[in-house]
Amino acid sequence: GAVVSQHPSWVICKSGTSVKIECRSLDFQATTMFWYRQFPKQSLMLMATSNEGSKATYEQGVEKDKFLINHASLTLSTLTVTSAHPEDSSFYICSARYSGSKAYNEQFFGPGTRLTVL
Amino acid sequence: AQTVTQSQPEMSVQEAETVTLSCTYDTSESDYYLFWYKQPPSRQMILVIRQEAYKQQNATENRFSVNFQKAAKSFSLKISDSQLGDAAMYFCAYRSAVSTGNQFYFGTGTSLTVIP
Repeated sequence: GAVVSQHPSWVICKSGTSVKIECRSLDFQATTMFWYRQFPKQSLMLMATSNEGSKATYEQGVEKDKFLINHASLTLSTLTVTSAHPEDSSFYICSARYSGSKAYNEQFFGPGTRLTVL
Repeated sequence: AQTVTQSQPEMSVQEAETVTLSCTYDTSESDYYLFWYKQPPSRQMILVIRQEAYKQQNATENRFSVNFQKAAKSFSLKISDSQLGDAAMYFCAYRSAVSTGNQFYFGTGTSLTVIP
């Protein structure tokens, strides 16, 4: 089956620093990757849609200058949280959409990254 | 935008019994996909079952089955012979088959406890 990895799985950083999270599709090409944020005991909230070779599309209310997304290849998207603050502490999940011909174009989820900002 | 509603924040079931999780959605589209995802304590999202809206037949995957009522915009998940490993958060999700974004819309989730 299709596998999506995220690195790191957890990270602790000081307030004001930047953190980069990587999302990789290991055995398939993904033209589109999605970034979600999940607070404890809550649902996944879409932050942005990342398309290979083009600018990401951000959801309303998500600061694009704070959450920088780069999708430089068909297997890698990165999310950089710039000048992180404690309120950015959350669980970040990426998913990758298979760019093949499957009718349902299923998305495959990464295992998530827990970010704690002190 | 489409909305997905899960009206049961928490559910519990006795081991080996059957439980049904509810999900309703709102859309004006006729072609879409519906999913149930399981999120165990590890937080990894796991696809449980999916349903194409154009198919009248309810999807089944071993102990998991759905009751898809398109006119009522209802998509419930039935778990038969519940096992301890079924304990998790369950999210219902909607995805358009026609829009270019193809993003998922998730419900708020149902926390399922399996009682030994």
